[in-house]
Amino acid sequence: GAGVSQSPSNKVTEKGKDVELRCDPISGHTALYWYRQRLGQGLEFLIYFQGNSAPDKSGLPSDRFSAERTGESVSTLTIQRTQQEDSAVYLCASSDPEGRGNNEQFFGPGTRLTVL
Amino acid sequence: QQQVKQSPQSLIVQKGGISIINCAYENTAFDYFPWYQQFPGKGPALLIAIRPDVSEKKEGRFTISFNKSAKQFSLHIMDSQPGDSATYFCAGGDDQTGANNLFFGTGTRLTVIP
Repeated sequence: GAGVSQSPSNKVTEKGKDVELRCDPISGHTALYWYRQRLGQGLEFLIYFQGNSAPDKSGLPSDRFSAERTGESVSTLTIQRTQQEDSAVYLCASSDPEGRGNNEQFFGPGTRLTVL
Repeated sequence: QQQVKQSPQSLIVQKGGISIINCAYENTAFDYFPWYQQFPGKGPALLIAIRPDVSEKKEGRFTISFNKSAKQFSLHIMDSQPGDSATYFCAGGDDQTGANNLFFGTGTRLTVIP
């Protein structure tokens, strides 16, 4: 079946502009995660959605970052007033906590954000 | 605060050799330890995972060794191949609270030389 998809694959923006990154999780997956991966670095947790529960926003680095999720489908990560240090690959993952192999997170290909 | 520490940062191995990547964790509530493999330009993909009720898990050329008392686990890649060249991430997670979050190590870039 279809995996996690993300769009755009690449985004170049100017410092100070807002950007929106989109994630389409695997159908039926109730959990959705956003991570940031700076060049040559590990995965930095940003935010986690699980069903209708309040999202875990503990990883968001500043109030310029926000994310929404519509039901158990699409999620959008918004970065306002982008800064050069926001340049990174933003990865989305989804999982099915109720299913077999319930901890496995399935990752999308990421959005590479470059802030000039 | 890095909940999962991973080493080495990079590793070069000859074809046919054994690649070993080590991780250590702090949170004793962790009960799920996956390894993810990431190729350039792709998202990470689950490679192999272990729970603390066993000390070793093997899938083909990939083996996880787990030491609960030391809070350490490692990935061994036997007969390493150039196609194994990728970045490997270990992670720890707590399945019991339902949080379902994974805390990732900083990654190891493996290069297998033909």
